[in-house]
Amino acid sequence: EAGVAQSPRYKIIEKRQSVAFWCNPISGHATLYWYQQILGQGPKLLIQFQNNGVVDDSQLPKDRFSAERLKGVDSTLKIQPAKLEDSAVYLCASSLNGGQQETQYFGPGTRLLVL
Amino acid sequence: AQSVTQLGSHVSVSEGALVLLRCNYSSSVPPYLFWYVQYPNQGLQLLLKYTSAATLVKGINGFEAEFKKSETSFHLTKPSAHMSDAAEYFCAVPSAYSGAGSYQLTFGKGTKLSVIP
Repeated sequence: EAGVAQSPRYKIIEKRQSVAFWCNPISGHATLYWYQQILGQGPKLLIQFQNNGVVDDSQLPKDRFSAERLKGVDSTLKIQPAKLEDSAVYLCASSLNGGQQETQYFGPGTRLLVL
Repeated sequence: AQSVTQLGSHVSVSEGALVLLRCNYSSSVPPYLFWYVQYPNQGLQLLLKYTSAATLVKGINGFEAEFKKSETSFHLTKPSAHMSDAAEYFCAVPSAYSGAGSYQLTFGKGTKLSVIP
């Protein structure tokens, strides 16, 4: 079974530029998550999708971050414009239906450096 | 919202020694609990999870964790550390912010495990 795919793996940009990350979840998984992991910290949820609808985006900085999951499969996370504090690893995860007991499967992450 | 606290941001053990990584949860209702491992430059991988079926949970790579309600703890242990265990370990608890019946994970700050040869 293929895992969660993410691209690119690494990205270096200058502040005020824009960047986009792509995620392809495990086939059949209805729930997709984007987490931000700042160095030395645990992942923090940015946004959660159930199929193509947003379940929770309360911690997404909406003035600069946006995300979509068209057709309920792939998802894209965008930052525009980027700030220095956005330097982090962006992790995509998916689970079957978002239940409490369900395992979330993580992709390898995209490491973003904003200069 | 549910939360977990991991004591010790960095733990060092000798190869072959006992590994003990601590996690305490805050909840009046025993939650489900997860331990994930993150190897350098990789995503998170599930080690084990507590789903109330049994208090002692066995996971991959020889790790296990015991749920103790009286101590609100879910500490991760391994009898004998191996060099390949060097990684960062995260305890996590599911939380539902939206009330829609769909859960996300709230993670602890992580414990970095170093194994000394």
